[in-house]
Amino acid sequence: AQTVTQSQPEMSVQEAETVTLSCTYDTSESDYYLFWYKQPPSRQMILVIRQEAYKQQNATENRFSVNFQKAAKSFSLKISDSQLGDAAMYFCAYRSAWTGGGADGLTFGKGTHLIIQP
Amino acid sequence: DTGVSQNPRHKITKRGQNVTFRCDPISEHNRLYWYRQTLGQGPEFLTYFQNEAQLEKSRLLSDRFSAERPKGSFSTLEIQRTEQGDSAMYLCASSLGQGLNTIYFGEGSWLTVV
Repeated sequence: AQTVTQSQPEMSVQEAETVTLSCTYDTSESDYYLFWYKQPPSRQMILVIRQEAYKQQNATENRFSVNFQKAAKSFSLKISDSQLGDAAMYFCAYRSAWTGGGADGLTFGKGTHLIIQP
Repeated sequence: DTGVSQNPRHKITKRGQNVTFRCDPISEHNRLYWYRQTLGQGPEFLTYFQNEAQLEKSRLLSDRFSAERPKGSFSTLEIQRTEQGDSAMYLCASSLGQGLNTIYFGEGSWLTVV
């Protein structure tokens, strides 16, 4: 079974600064997908960014980028020019590429609470 | 695209009662998932459907839990004989296929068992 670990329960950053959230995972699979989801208080979870394991190029979505290190099984999220609206819980998630056995879905870490200080 | 809709949003029930949650996925999505999330934790997978077929169930889904997706449209999650440990947010999500396809989440249904 796969596991996802987020070692930072809480992070704080000044508005307009850059912050990096850490995520490591454990898997025996070679092909999989990784995601970062954002969950604002009392609101639904939304996808921030995603990465295919067989692509070496790191994904980027506007102010959000990842540092994917497959050998180290690390998938960190960098948020540049932090904004007040970025305050939320951030979850790292893993999805297997193989669903032949009927398995599918996301395995989540415990999350990192991101605080943006004005 | 109205998103994933869940009802009720909040439910307070007495221990031992049965509760049912409903999820309406995004209309063309063939995959539907249920997760449970407790305070300070990430969502935990419960079960998922491809169309009307329930393809996987977590060991977290005890015999008191049952989920259905008749005709591959909306889904219901029923908890029988609720216990205080069932208090959590129950999240529904849907996607069109597997892999890199985005899994979209609803706002969740909060359950409090008193």
